[in-house]
Amino acid sequence: EPEVTQTPSHQVTQMGQEVILRCVPISNHLYFYWYRQILGQKVEFLVSFYNNEISEKSEIFDDQFSVERPDGSNFTLKIRSTKLEDSAMYFCASSEGPDRTVETQYFGPGTRLLVL
Amino acid sequence: AQSVSQHNHHVILSEAASLELGCNYSYGGTVNLFWYVQYPGQHLQLLLKYFSGDPLVKGIKGFEAEFIKSKFSFNLRKPSVQWSDTAEYFCAVNANNAGNMLTFGGGTRLMVKP
Repeated sequence: EPEVTQTPSHQVTQMGQEVILRCVPISNHLYFYWYRQILGQKVEFLVSFYNNEISEKSEIFDDQFSVERPDGSNFTLKIRSTKLEDSAMYFCASSEGPDRTVETQYFGPGTRLLVL
Repeated sequence: AQSVSQHNHHVILSEAASLELGCNYSYGGTVNLFWYVQYPGQHLQLLLKYFSGDPLVKGIKGFEAEFIKSKFSFNLRKPSVQWSDTAEYFCAVNANNAGNMLTFGGGTRLMVKP
């Protein structure tokens, strides 16, 4: 069964550094998402991406964050200048599309980001 | 803004006990409802979903959930749990006017004692 994959599984970085988290969505899916879960808190939506542009974003997704689909398979989340509070598990997800009202999202295993 | 509540944060059961995990949401419009499960060391997996039709939905591994619109609830049930059901369970809601974003509950950690 096809799966969403994410790399790296763990990333440790210094505050102020840029990080790029990578995801390979399921191959025939058209919608891509990033969520995060700070330790002990709820899974929170960050952004959705369709047709090479951001479809929706939450208030968490500020100017420090950006997403890109650099090629036909990867979907990346960049945090420009990491802060301590960016430490979290980041989940990528994808869904088939293009029906935006009834979608099942398939999640990757997550990248645990630790900002020191 | 929509929100999702899971009132049980931790549940401990013995094998063969029945399970019911509560999920309530706050949104008055049309919703799509999901239960995801995360086994230790694994990623979130879809357990079951409700989009429309029969409010009693059956998922994988013997799980089912009932959508009660009047109570804004989507509780997860299983008549007889197994040790392998030990996992964290997440309820999630997508409101039809909120694009594709999912709003998650806080999760319920289930431990099944052999």
